[in-house]
Amino acid sequence: SAVISQKPSRDICQRGTSLTIQCQVDSQVTMMFWYRQQPGQSLTLIATANQGSEATYESGFVIDKFPISRPNLTFSTLTVSNMSPEDSSIYLCSARGLALNEQFFGPGTRLTVL
Amino acid sequence: AQSVTQLDSQVPVFEEAPVELRCNYSSSVSVYLFWYVQYPNQGLQLLLKYLSGSTLVKGINGFEAEFNKSQTSFHLRKPSVHISDTAEYFCAVSRKETSGSRLTFGEGTQLTVNP
Repeated sequence: SAVISQKPSRDICQRGTSLTIQCQVDSQVTMMFWYRQQPGQSLTLIATANQGSEATYESGFVIDKFPISRPNLTFSTLTVSNMSPEDSSIYLCSARGLALNEQFFGPGTRLTVL
Repeated sequence: AQSVTQLDSQVPVFEEAPVELRCNYSSSVSVYLFWYVQYPNQGLQLLLKYLSGSTLVKGINGFEAEFNKSQTSFHLRKPSVHISDTAEYFCAVSRKETSGSRLTFGEGTQLTVNP
């Protein structure tokens, strides 16, 4: 299995600022993902983080708002740009192991935008 | 495309009672099936998964689930719950044939175990 850590674990930010969330996996993984979980709701996939190339975004999410990097196999960042209160959510990093049918999740970053 | 329906948004039970959390899915191709648990203020933890073979799958913490292909269901069960089982439970599916297939989640079921 893979252990995923995220930093920061939580933050309170002002409207109009940006926050970068870091995700580190302790072992080799094939794919990395970023999800959003709005209060009381299920998980929504934001994008697939591709190593060394642009991320693949889901419908409704754009690179200007959620730029993503993945410089190597085990590390990725998600930036939430020009934040508004509607961005208040839990952001979860996820990774698929070498056994492609197993996906692991980080503890999440709890973001509150004032 | 796949979809997942968790039939109950909230399930309150008393401690030591049995519980079943219901999950139905829709897909035009074969799928893998998963149950994840999210404890308060934590990330998701894999409870169990069905890939192939025996339709009864046993997971961690005494949970089990049964894959029923004809009813396209994957209900989660535990014969006797504890207070510590209070959490949000998510059913998820992914396409079996595609290595890059994404997980599709249900809306979640909040299990609350009362003393």
